[in-house]
Amino acid sequence: QKEVEQNSGPLSVPEGAIASLNCTYSDRGSQSFFWYRQYSGKSPELIMSIYSNGDKEDGRFTAQLNKASQYVSLLIRDSQPSDSATYLCAVNAYSGGGADGLTFGKGTHLIIQP
Amino acid sequence: EAGVTQFPSHSVIEKGQTVTLRCDPISGHDNLYWYRRVMGKEIKFLLHFVKESKQDESGMPNNRFLAERTGGTYSTLKVQPAELEDSGVYFCASSQGRGFRYEQYFGPGTRLTVT
Repeated sequence: QKEVEQNSGPLSVPEGAIASLNCTYSDRGSQSFFWYRQYSGKSPELIMSIYSNGDKEDGRFTAQLNKASQYVSLLIRDSQPSDSATYLCAVNAYSGGGADGLTFGKGTHLIIQP
Repeated sequence: EAGVTQFPSHSVIEKGQTVTLRCDPISGHDNLYWYRRVMGKEIKFLLHFVKESKQDESGMPNNRFLAERTGGTYSTLKVQPAELEDSGVYFCASSQGRGFRYEQYFGPGTRLTVT
């Protein structure tokens, strides 16, 4: 059974610091990796996607992928109180003709302290 | 561009009743997905449509759940009869294409409470 593991937190980070969120996955066939941000009672909002090993940067966000270690992370630089939310890691193991649904972790609750 | 919309936002029904949830994907998105999050658990995949065809319904919990997407536009998810364990938030997502490089965009969800 495919699994995605995240530390549920809460992870508390002071404003202006770097927040580091981690995720591991069990299916070695996983092809793509996504980070969603979800505010309480709202829909998951896609903030980053990554497909290749290494780093991908977008503004204050950096996603890191290590397929050998089955590990993906999200770094948030210069953390702001508005970054306080639950961050969901999602994995897609689509391999052409197979299942295309995302497998989610339970999410990490991030709190940015002013 | 309008995002994924879902209706209703919240539904409270009694055990044994029927409920129908609706999802309107982003215009032009052929791929539509249903997910569910029950309390304390992760979001779980239910099924996937490509246009009007069910591509994968491996996540559907049982035959009390029926999803349709007539005409390949909006989709409905009917629960009949509802049970207590069906309570949760039902999310719909859509994507432009199928495959690992296509991103899925989520709607606001329908919170279903079965009493």
